[in-house]
Amino acid sequence: GAVVSQHPSWVICKSGTSVKIECRSLDFQATTMFWYRQFPKQSLMLMATSNEGSKATYEQGVEKDKFLINHASLTLSTLTVTSAHPEDSSFYICSALQGIYGYTFGSGTRLTVV
Amino acid sequence: AQKITQTQPGMFVQEKEAVTLDCTYDTSDPSYGLFWYKQPSSGEMIFLIYQGSYDQQNATEGRYSLNFQKARKSANLVISASQLGDSAMYFCAMSDTGNQFYFGTGTSLTVIP
Repeated sequence: GAVVSQHPSWVICKSGTSVKIECRSLDFQATTMFWYRQFPKQSLMLMATSNEGSKATYEQGVEKDKFLINHASLTLSTLTVTSAHPEDSSFYICSALQGIYGYTFGSGTRLTVV
Repeated sequence: AQKITQTQPGMFVQEKEAVTLDCTYDTSDPSYGLFWYKQPSSGEMIFLIYQGSYDQQNATEGRYSLNFQKARKSANLVISASQLGDSAMYFCAMSDTGNQFYFGTGTSLTVIP
């Protein structure tokens, strides 16, 4: 079946630094990938939709300059949290779309900013 | 407007019993897909079952079945013969035109030995 690899699984960084999270579709090409954020005991909130070769579409309230998304190839999308602060600590998870309804999720990244 | 509604924040079920997790949805699109995911404490989203809006029969995958009532816009998940490993968060989700994916607020299921 379709597999999406997300790295790193967890990361701790100092306030003010940037962190990059990678999302790779291993055995299929994903023209569309999605990035979600999840706070403890809450649902997944869609942050942005990224299409290969074009700019990401951000949801209302998501800072584009803070959460940089790059979808440079059909198998890789990256989310960079720039100048991270403690309030950015969260669980970030990506998903890749194959076909019409083939959504596959990565295993998530737990970010802690200290 | 809320696209997916899960009204049960938490549910308990005895081991080996069946449990139903409720989900209602809202869309005006004739074509859409309904999904259930399991999220254990590790955080990964595990796909359980899918129902297409045009599917005539209810979807089943092993111990999971989806009770699809189109007129009522409900897509309840039924887990039969609950196991301790079923304890997790369960999310109902929907995708309609535009490839947007909407999640419900989730239901925390606890299986009691």
